[in-house]
Amino acid sequence: ELKVEQNPLFLSMQEGKNYTIYCNYSTTSDRLYWYRQDPGKSLESLFVLLSNGAVKQEGRLMASLDTKARLSTLHITAAVHDLSATYFCAVPGDSNYQLIWGAGTKLIIKP
Amino acid sequence: GAGVSQSPSNKVTEKGKDVELRCDPISGHTALYWYRQRLGQGLEFLIYFQGNSAPDKSGLPSDRFSAERTGESVSTLTIQRTQQEDSAVYLCASSQTSGHEQFFGPGTRLTVL
Repeated sequence: ELKVEQNPLFLSMQEGKNYTIYCNYSTTSDRLYWYRQDPGKSLESLFVLLSNGAVKQEGRLMASLDTKARLSTLHITAAVHDLSATYFCAVPGDSNYQLIWGAGTKLIIKP
Repeated sequence: GAGVSQSPSNKVTEKGKDVELRCDPISGHTALYWYRQRLGQGLEFLIYFQGNSAPDKSGLPSDRFSAERTGESVSTLTIQRTQQEDSAVYLCASSQTSGHEQFFGPGTRLTVL
């Protein structure tokens, strides 16, 4: 059974600090998705990583994928309060349409 | 429309009543997904539609749950004889074709009293 594990599940940090969220998955996959969910809102696509070594950056967020290690990271640089949200990673399951979701990392950035 | 829409945005019902939730996918998106998200939890896959193919219902938690989709348009998720444990946000997503990036609607928050 494919499992997707995120850690930490909860992170409280100060503005201006750097941190990394990790997403491990248990089977081979050449794709991985990161989503953001603001409190009481729906999910918004952040990054689509389509190959080993893929790196994408937007603003203070950078995501990377290592398919050999079955690991993706979401790095936050000089965090700001507006980045407070829950971040989910997801990996395609056995069928090519189903996504298996991590439990989410709730990020709180204190001003 | 520009994005996935869902209605109603909020639904409060009494235990034992039936509810129907609606999803309008992005025009041209052939794939449609329903998920359930309990408070503070991740996403639980419910059902998947792809064009006119038979849907994947493997995530439906019980026979009280059913969903329909007409062609590549609107989908409805029906929950019969609602129970308190059905309280959650029900999210709909669509994608251009299977395996592609999913775009989510705003969700329907269901509260069963």
